[in-house]
Amino acid sequence: EDQVTQSPEALRLQEGESSSLNCSYTVSGLRGLFWYRQDPGKGPEFLFTLYSAGEEKEKERLKATLTKKESFLHITAPKPEDSATYLCAVRPASGGSYIPTFGRGTSLIVHP
Amino acid sequence: DTAVSQTPKYLVTQMGNDKSIKCEQNLGHDTMYWYKQDSKKFLKIMFSYNNKELIINETVPNRFSPKSPDKAHLNLHINSLELGDSAVYFCASSELAENTGELFFGEGSRLTVL
Repeated sequence: EDQVTQSPEALRLQEGESSSLNCSYTVSGLRGLFWYRQDPGKGPEFLFTLYSAGEEKEKERLKATLTKKESFLHITAPKPEDSATYLCAVRPASGGSYIPTFGRGTSLIVHP
Repeated sequence: DTAVSQTPKYLVTQMGNDKSIKCEQNLGHDTMYWYKQDSKKFLKIMFSYNNKELIINETVPNRFSPKSPDKAHLNLHINSLELGDSAVYFCASSELAENTGELFFGEGSRLTVL
């Protein structure tokens, strides 16, 4: 069964304190790995798609990387407005289902 | 204009009642989804509709019935509500299922069953 595990479950940082979130996955082939940001009371908002090991994507203070078993979301010098839940999702390359499977998310709080 | 809109945003009801949640997308996408998010923020797929046809149903109880009058709308009807149905329900859309990458989500409908 395809699985997506995110760690840590919760992370508290001081403003400016860089860190990384982890998403490890076991799928029968990978059609894509996705990162989303979810603010309280809102729907998830798309951040990045990664397709192959070694690929990297950047957006402002966020950088996503991908290996054959996991993805990292690096947050450089975070600000309080980066506080949110970050969700990872994967699409398997086989099995007939195109539907992304989500991890349980990492809740990030950045203190000023 | 809101890309994916859901109504109502909040719904409080008694066990045993029947309720519906509506979803509309104005992105011209071919595929729409319903996800359920529990209290621990876990997003689980319930249904996916591609051009008005159901393409997946993740063993959801048959008390839940999706209805898609056209490709821009996917409504969720729930019969005989149970306490365990309390959750936030998200509608989403994307381009054709086989090209699915980015999902566009609505703001969610919080259902509380008393």
